[in-house]
Parts: sequence; C-alpha cells; structure tokens
Amino acid sequence: AQKVTQAQTEISVVEKEDVTLDCVYETRDTTYYLFWYKQPPSGELVFLIRRNSFDEQNEISGRYSWNFQKSTSSFNFTITASQVVDSAVYFCALSEAGRDDKIIFGKGTRLHILP
Amino acid sequence: DAGVIQSPRHEVTEMGQEVTLRCKPISGHNSLFWYRQTMMRGLELLIYFNNNVPIDDSGMPEDRFSAKMPNASFSTLKIQPSEPRDSAVYFCASSRKQGTDTQYFGPGTRLTVL
Repeated sequence: AQKVTQAQTEISVVEKEDVTLDCVYETRDTTYYLFWYKQPPSGELVFLIRRNSFDEQNEISGRYSWNFQKSTSSFNFTITASQVVDSAVYFCALSEAGRDDKIIFGKGTRLHILP
Repeated sequence: DAGVIQSPRHEVTEMGQEVTLRCKPISGHNSLFWYRQTMMRGLELLIYFNNNVPIDDSGMPEDRFSAKMPNASFSTLKIQPSEPRDSAVYFCASSRKQGTDTQYFGPGTRLTVL
C-alpha cells in the first residue's frame, strides 16, 4: 500500500535560517510520482513540484530545493534563507502510475518562520 | 487562465439542512476531485471523476453525501441532511488527465454546520 509520512508535525525557525522538511514514502510500484503542495494561512493549496520516480536529479527553484533519494524513499524539501512568507503547512504526496488515480497526501508539516 | 472555481467560499447552515457545494474545473482538465480537510483527519479524498464519470467514491463518508458531474465544466457535492460533524473545508481539484498528473486546487469552501 502506498503511504506518505511527514514525521515533523510542526517546525519553527528564525527568519533567514535554512529549513528542511522531511518526506518518506512507501510504494511497491517502480513508476510513481511525488508532489509538494503549500497551504498558506489563507487556506488555498498551491502546487510546488511534481517529480517522477525515474528522475532523481535534485531540483532547485529560487530558494526552494528538493532532494529525491530512492535509496531511502525520501523526497525532502529545503527552504534556504527562509522568509516570513514561507510560513505555511507543507504537504508531501504520492501517486502510483497505473494503479488507481489517487494522490495520497501526508499529514503535513506546519512551518513557522519567526521574524 | 482561470483556476479551479468553487462556490460558495463560506457556508453556514443549520443541522438538517441541505448543502450544495459547486466546482468549475480548469478548462481542458478531464479529472475532478473532491476533498475534505479537517484538523483531525487531514486531507481526505471523497470522490473523483474522470471524463464526467465517477471513478471512485469510496471516500464518501456516508449516504448523506452525493456528488455529480453533469458536464465537463461543472460538479456539485451535496450533503443532505447536514450534521455538525460535516463542518470542514471542502476542496475541489482538477487535473489534465487522471492519476499521476498534477492536481490544481480551488480555494475551498469552508462549511460550518451549527
């Protein structure tokens, strides 16, 4: 069965610090997709990234970077030089190709960036 | 391009009343998903449609919940009769195709049942 674990329920860091949000997944499929979504205090869910299981290259987008490691079944998200606007709940999610059409979401990590 | 549109954004109703939530997916997207988010249970998939056909409704909590998608640009989620435990934020999402494609979420409807 597919499963996504975000062990960090809540994290607080001071502005300008780097912070890494952990995501560990379980799947029996060889083809799958991983996602990160951001939910700011306003409540909407904002798509950040989608990564397929055959692409282990790390991704960088501005201050955001993602580290995908199949060997440890992890897809961690790092924010460099954090800002108060990064305060949000971040969800990691998994979808298995060819199985069913669901995306399974983790429980989320609430990130507080303190000024 | 317009994103997923949901209405109403907020709904307050009394127990026993019928509630209808509405969703317009992104044009050209073939799959539509209804989710419910609560503090206790997190984000739960209720039902999803592909090409207007319900594919999996196993997440629908009970018979009081029903969903329809009469055409490619409109879907409803109905609760009848509503109960206080239905209070939650309901999200609609759409994707270009089913399954592993990225889902784009609407702003959500915050439902409060008194």
